Parts: sequence; C-alpha cells; structure tokens
Amino acid sequence: ETGVTQTPRHLVMGMTNKKSLKCEQHLGHNAMYWYKQSAKKPLELMFVYNFKEQTENNSVPSRFSPECPNSSHLFLHLHTLQPEDSALYLCASSETSGKIYEQYFGPGTRLTVT
Amino acid sequence: TQLLEQSPQFLSIQEGENLTVYCNSSSVFSSLQWYRQEPGEGPVLLVTVVTGGEVKKLKRLTFQFGDARKDSSLHITAAQPGDTGLYLCAGDNYGQNFVFGPGTRLSVLP
Repeated sequence: ETGVTQTPRHLVMGMTNKKSLKCEQHLGHNAMYWYKQSAKKPLELMFVYNFKEQTENNSVPSRFSPECPNSSHLFLHLHTLQPEDSALYLCASSETSGKIYEQYFGPGTRLTVT
Repeated sequence: TQLLEQSPQFLSIQEGENLTVYCNSSSVFSSLQWYRQEPGEGPVLLVTVVTGGEVKKLKRLTFQFGDARKDSSLHITAAQPGDTGLYLCAGDNYGQNFVFGPGTRLSVLP
C-alpha cells in the first residue's frame, strides 16, 4: 500500500522555471506537511495544513507557494528558485483528532536547481 | 525554539553487534517518534513513545522514553545489514512545533 505518494520523484529545473510538486495521501488523514531535507541539515518543516487551512509557515521564502485544495492533496508551487533550494522535498500526512500526531511520509521529490 | 540532538552522528558496526543511539533535548515533548530513512526514500515510522519511562519493543529494536520526556534511546540487538539507514527522532507538543533531530547514520557490515 502506498499511503503517501509524491510526483515527480526527480526534478531538474532552471532558476527561471516554474514547476509544481504534487503529494497525495490515501490514509484518510486531515493534516498534511511539506518538509525540506538538505544534506547535513535536519529535516526542516516548511508548511502545515490542517483541514485544508494553513496553520504553519516557517518563514519560507515566497518563491515556495503551497496549495491544499482538499485534505488528500497538497501542492508546492516553485518559481525563480536558487541553487541552494536543491534538496529532497518530503510530504507527510497525519491524523490530528487524538493526542498523538504520527506522520507518514512520501518517498520525496529530489529537486536540483541549475 | 526546541532542538533535538542525536548521537552518535555516524556509527559503523559489524553484523551481530549491539548498539544504542540517543536523542536528547532540553525541552519536554508530548510524544516522540523514531524513523528510519533509506537513501532516496522518505522516513518510515518505527515507533511512537508517549509516557515518561515508557519502553517499546519492535523485534530486535528497543525504544525508551526518558522519565522527563526530554530524551529517548534506541537499542538494536544483533544488528543486521538490513538495519542500515538514517535513524531520525522527532518530537512534538500535541501537533505543534514539530522538530526533527539531525539523525544517526548507521552502517551494519556483513
């Protein structure tokens, strides 16, 4: 079972391009997350959506624009990125009705900005 | 800002050996998760600990949450090459302030 899927798995884009990353969760969760994982740095939480509403934005540059049309789908729109934005972008989902917020991750999109 | 530290940063051992990795913070968490991540893949959830002093076992893996809910350890008995990966701990406070540690990269040699 592929609970959280992400497309594309790999993306190479120039600094002037516009692209979008897609995430879909099949777990019935109501919260979705975007993380950035760079080499030699801990996972960085970028955005949190709970019941389609953005509840957290950790000072992410405006060249990253999230969109959550429903509880199952999450997008990350990219434009005018910088080479330092190259990283593994991970999507996760969780249930938020209880006290424990276990996150389930997708396989990630490996982004290279040239 | 809550921070999680993990030690050691790197660990290379022979198949069959035992090992312990640590996750420490000065902050209290409502729950703490352990994940394993393989190259080019997303982290996979191994366990969640919630109660101070709690011990959970998953086959050869034993997880412990500190009494004060600030730290945790992962002990692997008789490590196998399939245990190789990046082990991450993550803490939160009832869904707020998610934070990940930098990870322990484990290599188990046959």
